[in-house]
Amino acid sequence: GAVVSQHPSRVICKSGTSVKIECRSLDFQATTMFWYRQFPKQSLMLMATSNEGSKATYEQGVEKDKFLINHASLTLSTLTVTSAHPEDSSFYICSAREGYGEKLFFGSGTQLSVL
Amino acid sequence: GDSVTQMEGPVTLSEEAFLTINCTYTATGYPSLFWYVQYPGEGLQLLLKATKADDKGSNKGFEATYRKETTSFHLEKGSVQVSDSAVYFCALSDRGNTPLVFGKGTRLSVIA
Repeated sequence: GAVVSQHPSRVICKSGTSVKIECRSLDFQATTMFWYRQFPKQSLMLMATSNEGSKATYEQGVEKDKFLINHASLTLSTLTVTSAHPEDSSFYICSAREGYGEKLFFGSGTQLSVL
Repeated sequence: GDSVTQMEGPVTLSEEAFLTINCTYTATGYPSLFWYVQYPGEGLQLLLKATKADDKGSNKGFEATYRKETTSFHLEKGSVQVSDSAVYFCALSDRGNTPLVFGKGTRLSVIA
């Protein structure tokens, strides 16, 4: 079946640094990718939707200048947490949709810890 | 805003036991409802879904019925197997097949 690879699975960084998370669709072309985050003991919630070659659409309350999303190709989307702070510590998961199909394929997530 | 509440785990059952994982939701419209499953070391996978009231989603022996009157979408399986051990997430969406909000997940462990 379709596979979405997400890296890194875990990252620890110092406050003020930027962290990039990659999401790759390995055997299909992902016209749309989604980024979710889950704060500790909270629900997993959609952050943004990105379509290949266009700007991402962010959900209400998500800072687009802080969470930079790039979807430059049909197989790769990246989420960059800029100037990370401890309150950005969270679990981030990407998912990808092949073409205009119904199914979403999820990565296995990235645990970000900002010290 | 929209939200999903599901029962806290972990849930530990013996093989062939009956499973229920409760899920209730709040939403302003008429959302689609989903159950996702995450097996160890893998990404979330869609298990089943329902798009309107009284719809029943089913897959791999799991079922859930969209109950508008109780705003619930409880997951059930009559006889669990060890291979069902995973984390189960209830989710909703008001945008077709794009889940917007997930519950916190319920870890199920089935022992032989």
